[in-house]
Amino acid sequence: EVQLVESGGGLVQPGRSLRVSCAASGFNFDDYAMHWVRQSPRKGLEWVASISWNSDRTAYADSVKGRFTISRDNAKNSLYLQMNSLGGDDTALYYCATDPLSYFGSGNYFRYWGQGTLVTVSS
Amino acid sequence: DIQMTQSPSSLSASVGDRVTITCRASQNINLYLNWYQQKPGKAPKLLIYAASTLQGGVPSRFSGSGAGTDFTLTITSLQPDDFATYYCQESSSPLFSFGPGTKVDFK
Repeated sequence: EVQLVESGGGLVQPGRSLRVSCAASGFNFDDYAMHWVRQSPRKGLEWVASISWNSDRTAYADSVKGRFTISRDNAKNSLYLQMNSLGGDDTALYYCATDPLSYFGSGNYFRYWGQGTLVTVSS
Repeated sequence: DIQMTQSPSSLSASVGDRVTITCRASQNINLYLNWYQQKPGKAPKLLIYAASTLQGGVPSRFSGSGAGTDFTLTITSLQPDDFATYYCQESSSPLFSFGPGTKVDFK
């Protein structure tokens, strides 16, 4: 059974940093691209970042480019999102999701999702 | 960037009803359109990918159609488990824009 478990969320002050993680199990993690998606009442579902199976390709939403970094450790079956210079618009539930393909570009879809980790940016 | 719109934003229906949700892309996305279902407090669940391919385990009462800019999700006979919010998502480029969602609730 595919399992994705996010962790690391919490309350953080504006301008500070936070790293969220996603522990994967039940599938060959190092075969597939992975994604981060966030959801907030104001913005709905919003794709955040993607990474290819071997980390040689990454992509970011314009809203986080230059502030967030997606990474993965295939030896640990783990996905990460380093978030810097956080602001109120980054307050959201952050989900990790699997892809059926090794790379992203076109034709991808988010096959399995974790339950999310809540990030709240507030002073 | 590709903008996704959905209509209606919400609808009320009864068990057994045929339900149709429309999704429109701001530019041609060929067949790169996915549908997700989300229930309160739960993560989204993939229903359909590539416009019309049913994800494994999804009941056959769900179907998707369309190409280019206009797409449709149809539920042929609404069941109690189907009351949820439905989102479309484009995947023609690695920006993966989502629609704003359509909430299906009980009439």
